[in-house]
Amino acid sequence: AQSVTQLDSHVSVSEGTPVLLRCNYSSSYSPSLFWYVQHPNKGLQLLLKYTSAATLVKGINGFEAEFKKSETSFHLTKPSAHMSDAAEYFCVVSDVPGYGGSQGNLIFGKGTKLSVKP
Amino acid sequence: GAVVSQHPSRVICKSGTSVKIECRSLDFQATTMFWYRQFPKKSLMLMATSNEGSKATYEQGVEKDKFLINHASLTLSTLTVTSAHPEDSSFYICSARDRSSGGANYYEQYFGPGTRLTVT
Repeated sequence: AQSVTQLDSHVSVSEGTPVLLRCNYSSSYSPSLFWYVQHPNKGLQLLLKYTSAATLVKGINGFEAEFKKSETSFHLTKPSAHMSDAAEYFCVVSDVPGYGGSQGNLIFGKGTKLSVKP
Repeated sequence: GAVVSQHPSRVICKSGTSVKIECRSLDFQATTMFWYRQFPKKSLMLMATSNEGSKATYEQGVEKDKFLINHASLTLSTLTVTSAHPEDSSFYICSARDRSSGGANYYEQYFGPGTRLTVT
């Protein structure tokens, strides 16, 4: 069965410093991986996705993530944090539908709250 | 493109009443729509999956008689919380898959902005 673990429930950085949000996944087959951002009382916005193409994925707002199969990781990074980046971030995995009974549903991590200090 | 709307964005209802939440795909046809529930400071929990014209598939532990889902068209799904109680208060989020997407993109879900339900 697939699962996803976000290693930090809360990350705090200063504005202008790098951001690293960690995510490890478990999947029986080649997964699709996503990072979503959620601002307070808002819906989810897709930051980026990996679907078996390039392992380094670039997303919106300067975020990127690298798929590392050997480490089963998909960490989210950004070179320089901005105040507007403060939000909740979810790492999400989806298995290939039809394999092992998977329906291709999304499995969410517990989320990492990113705080950005001025 | 790929915009999903929810209505209402916020609703307060009295205990014992029912409330309906609408989820619409505005610029695409959705073969499948999903309903999630999010507790404060928690992750999203999938409640049910609905396919147009057929009965919804509920996740284990979700009461289908309490959370009625109707997916009458390719652009509209509704979630009705029946006989609401304060413990049903939550943030409900829907998502949809684009029928016309191909390959790996087919399984991407587009999320609505969510509905905050408060039961008093």
